Amino acid sequence: DQQVKQNSPSLSVQEGRISILNCDYTNSMFDYFLWYKKYPAEGPTFLISISSIKDKNEDGRFTVFLNKSAKHLSLHIVPSQPGDSAVYFCAARVTSGNTPLVFGKGTRLSVIA
Amino acid sequence: DGGITQSPKYLFRKEGQNVTLSCEQNLNHDAMYWYRQDPGQGLRLIYYSQIVNDFQKGDIAEGYSVSREKKESFPLTVTSAQKNPTAFYLCATAGVGNTEAFFGQGTRLTVV
Repeated sequence: DQQVKQNSPSLSVQEGRISILNCDYTNSMFDYFLWYKKYPAEGPTFLISISSIKDKNEDGRFTVFLNKSAKHLSLHIVPSQPGDSAVYFCAARVTSGNTPLVFGKGTRLSVIA
Repeated sequence: DGGITQSPKYLFRKEGQNVTLSCEQNLNHDAMYWYRQDPGQGLRLIYYSQIVNDFQKGDIAEGYSVSREKKESFPLTVTSAQKNPTAFYLCATAGVGNTEAFFGQGTRLTVV
């Protein structure tokens, strides 16, 4: 059973507009959430994260929102740039015990110039 | 230069042969992980180790084996029992108290 779900396999956005990537989770024990960006044939790179005690975290053009009651988080990229085109993975973990990250299947973002 | 080194980047093997993928880190991280990426499947956990000489199975451990004899190294062996070994393999590490994991550049294994 998938604990972290990214239901949109792909998303296309025009340059300069907002990109919104969504993620849902089922395990209520998750208390830390992350977004990774991945280019083909490379390892994922950490983008932004949020603790379950917060509902928003912002870093430059990237903002992550967490809705615990809905078990939903989203990544907003504003403004979107062509270099943002990549696969974005949502991940979650239970922080106690340094447990492994659980990943969603990813969303491929294409930013069109 | 600090980081996580996976080698080789590309690996070809004949069906039925065992193959070992290397992962070395100099970040002094305690935890190390192996994930596998297949198209449309995201990243799935194979094995992980939180301390030297100890490791646990992940979600798809069948057909794989690991060892953790040194803090810096966590090699993954893909055995002939793995039915679909062709994939992109990613090694990651995390320090104590670190909430994010850091990834190597991956090894693409192709079995022919």
